[in-house]
Amino acid sequence: GAGVSQSPSNKVTEKGKDVELRCDPISGHTALYWYRQSLGQGLEFLIYFQGNSAPDKSGLPSDRFSAERTGGSVSTLTIQRTQQEDSAVYLCASSPLRTVIETQYFGPGTRLLVL
Amino acid sequence: AQTVTQSQPEMSVQEAETVTLSCTYDTSESDYYLFWYKQPPSRQMILVIRQEAYKQQNATENRFSVNFQKAAKSFSLKISDSQLGDAAMYFCAYRRNYGQNFVFGPGTRLSVLP
Repeated sequence: GAGVSQSPSNKVTEKGKDVELRCDPISGHTALYWYRQSLGQGLEFLIYFQGNSAPDKSGLPSDRFSAERTGGSVSTLTIQRTQQEDSAVYLCASSPLRTVIETQYFGPGTRLLVL
Repeated sequence: AQTVTQSQPEMSVQEAETVTLSCTYDTSESDYYLFWYKQPPSRQMILVIRQEAYKQQNATENRFSVNFQKAAKSFSLKISDSQLGDAAMYFCAYRRNYGQNFVFGPGTRLSVLP
C-alpha cells in the first residue's frame, strides 16, 4: 500500500518568510511524528501526535514552530519567520501503534533551505 | 532524559565481510525497546531490526543481528556478508514505552568497499 508521503520534496524560502510542510501518514496509523535532521546529523524530535491525545510538543525548538493534525490524518508543520538555522530535512513518520514494539514508517522528507 | 550514543561517526567494511556498529544508551527504565534504522542516500529511513529489553535472546533478521547487553546498556548491530547496498547511515533508537516518542543516536555512516 501507499507509504508516508511528504510535500514539497524541496523548499527554498527567504529568511523571514513562513513555510508549511505537509505529511500524509499511512491510512489508519494513529501516531504521527515530526523530526528535523540537519546536514550530517541525527534526528531531532519535534512533535508527536497520538490519536486524540494532546500532542507532545516538547521537541519544538521555539514558538516559531507549530504543527497540527486535522482529523487524525494529515499533519502540517508550520515554521514562521524562518531563519537560516531552520535549514534542514524535515522527516515525518507514522505508526499504527498496535503494539509497543511497533515501528515508525518514515516519509522521504522535505528539504528546507532558508536563504 | 534518555540519551543514545553512537561513538563511531564513520565505519567502512569490505564487501562480504562483517562489521559491527556500536550503540549505547542511558536510561533508568527496565522496560524499553531498541531499534536500528538505515537511511540510504535516498533519505528514506528503513527499520533494520528491533529488540524488546525484556527479551534476553538477541534479535536476528537475515544478515543483521544485534548484541544486546542490558546491564551494560549496549545494543550493537552486526552486519554479516556486507553488501554494497548496505552502505548508508545507521541510526540506533530507543523508545521507553507505549505512546512515547523515539530517541535517536547521531548515526554512523557505513561505507562498503568493493
